[in-house]
Amino acid sequence: DTEVTQTPKHLVMGMTNKKSLKCEQHMGHRAMYWYKQKAKKPPELMFVYSYEKLSINESVPSRFSPECPNSSLLNLHLHALQPEDSALYLCASSQDRGRDNTEAFFGQGTRLTVV
Amino acid sequence: GEDVEQSLFLSVREGDSSVINCTYTDSSSTYLYWYKQEPGAGLQLLTYIFSNMDMKQDQRLTVLLNKKDKHLSLRIADTQTGDSAIYFCAEQTGGYQKVTFGIGTKLQVIP
Repeated sequence: DTEVTQTPKHLVMGMTNKKSLKCEQHMGHRAMYWYKQKAKKPPELMFVYSYEKLSINESVPSRFSPECPNSSLLNLHLHALQPEDSALYLCASSQDRGRDNTEAFFGQGTRLTVV
Repeated sequence: GEDVEQSLFLSVREGDSSVINCTYTDSSSTYLYWYKQEPGAGLQLLTYIFSNMDMKQDQRLTVLLNKKDKHLSLRIADTQTGDSAIYFCAEQTGGYQKVTFGIGTKLQVIP
């Protein structure tokens, strides 16, 4: 199983809503990532979790709140988003061997629209 | 610093070879990747090369790395219409799990 599964595939939410994006992998990877990709742009890193602890936060606004409840799951909690937060949110995972990290596998993404 | 550059667009005829180029700036990069993204889809890892390698071949794909010039290329032999997509070059910086992407090259394959 070399899959990273993201749910939902599509999400439309209002600016006052609270929603969560979910990501799951069963490859035994200990590093998990959230990326944001706007239309016609490359993915941009948001957060990295390593062994269920937040290791990188790329100055992401607090309306995005990541959570890693266990080594297979990664959530992104959304609250009070703005229309400009509409994007494709990609989850990825990789084995975490520090400097000798291996390739990152990406999920298919959640396409988020904030109205 | 981290900066990955690619050309925006490449058009080739079906059956020809495609070569997508990329330059990066971080000399401490450990892995360099090529990802494919089809419209509305996530990222598919095509291949990667470790920074101490010059070349890697995987079926129709050939990756060349010139570490001195910080230049990476992806050659697709016998390009097919199903290869039409955006191809992202990405670098992983040493000591971090961070992967930085280029802007992506849109490959158009003409039948």
